[in-house]
Amino acid sequence: KQEVTQIPAALSVPEGENLVLNCSFTDSAIYNLQWFRQDPGKGLTSLLLIQSSQREQTSGRLNASLDKSSGRSTLYIAASQPGDSATYLCAVDQAGTALIFGKGTTLSVSS
Amino acid sequence: EAGVAQSPRYKIIEKRQSVAFWCNPISGHATLYWYQQILGQGPKLLIQFQNNGVVDDSQLPKDRFSAERLKGVDSTLKIQPAKLEDSAVYLCASSFSHGVLYEQDFGPGTRLTVT
Repeated sequence: KQEVTQIPAALSVPEGENLVLNCSFTDSAIYNLQWFRQDPGKGLTSLLLIQSSQREQTSGRLNASLDKSSGRSTLYIAASQPGDSATYLCAVDQAGTALIFGKGTTLSVSS
Repeated sequence: EAGVAQSPRYKIIEKRQSVAFWCNPISGHATLYWYQQILGQGPKLLIQFQNNGVVDDSQLPKDRFSAERLKGVDSTLKIQPAKLEDSAVYLCASSFSHGVLYEQDFGPGTRLTVT
């Protein structure tokens, strides 16, 4: 059974700092890995999707990497801003199944 | 393009009462998902539809939860009777199909509080 773990559970950083969020999964037979952002009381916003054949994806200040063989992904946020404060969720899917999520990392960026 | 719509946004009920949630997916999206997100947890799939057929309902507590997707468009999720542990955010998502390359678009969710 696939399990997704995210470390740390919470993170507080000052504005401008670069940071890394970690995600690990137990079954390497995934098709996609996706990073989402969730603001309080809101739904999920997709940030980056990495297909199993890819190693990384970039969007603006965000970079996500995938090491499928070791079951790990990282989300790198450069030059963090207070507006980046949110919960970041990692999810994987296998063979067209629904997404399996981690518990998320709650990020707080102080000005 | 309009996003996934859900209503109501918030609902407070007493235990043993019933409640229903509604979801309208993005036009043309054949696959619809209902997820349950308990506070501090990631979303967990309850049921997945492909058009109006059920693909996966293995994690749906069928003694109290039911869902339907008539005509392969809108969907309703019902809880009867509700328990305290059903307090959660219920997220609806849709995708063009359930293939591996189709991203899911999420609605804003319905926050249910059972007292």
